[in-house]
Amino acid sequence: EIVLTQSPGTLSLSPGERATLSCRASQSVSSSYLAWYQQKPGQAPRLLIYGASSRATGIPDRFSGSGSGTDFTLTISRLEPEDFAVYYCQQYGSSQTFGQGTKVEIK
Amino acid sequence: QVQLVQSGAEVKKPGASVKVSCKASGYTFTSYGISWVRQAPGQGLEWMGWISAYNGNTNYAQKLQGRVTMTTDTSTSTAYMELRSLRSDDTAVYYCARNSNYGPYYMDVWGKGTTVTVSS
Repeated sequence: EIVLTQSPGTLSLSPGERATLSCRASQSVSSSYLAWYQQKPGQAPRLLIYGASSRATGIPDRFSGSGSGTDFTLTISRLEPEDFAVYYCQQYGSSQTFGQGTKVEIK
Repeated sequence: QVQLVQSGAEVKKPGASVKVSCKASGYTFTSYGISWVRQAPGQGLEWMGWISAYNGNTNYAQKLQGRVTMTTDTSTSTAYMELRSLRSDDTAVYYCARNSNYGPYYMDVWGKGTTVTVSS
């Protein structure tokens, strides 16, 4: 099973700042089959990025994904108040696994 | 609009079974698959399995093999997830999510979740 490790566990930032979230896989993720989701308290997850770098429908361009192999990054260029949430990475190249999540909180 | 509407909250005793439904609308049901994901209180996301709404093919998480069954009813565009021999650590919010028909890939539309509580 591919294990995904997200870092940091918590990111404390102010609105307008840049957020960089990391997702590292225990082995290479085939075909960059990696997605990112955002989850707010009491809500279902929302798809942000698939295929490591493709934005899902309706996702603002301040969200971007990059990486390949075992190292992937989600970048939020300028944090808006509604971006404070928990973010999960998911690999779907070999069965499916999720990372443990990164919480982006207001500093 | 595309949506998945899940059944209501359930409270079950240990050893019992639960069956959660997920009714799709706004798209051609048989053109996609459905995955099920659960989230224990205060914890992260756990993928449970996938079913093709086209041909009923399934792929279950190894951890749940033998306890979970996923089915679809194409006449009502509804997917079902049944979990048997419930334990306290099955207490979670259970989500259905739209997926590819070719296998478990990324999930682009999610239901609001169904809370399942297992308690004696």
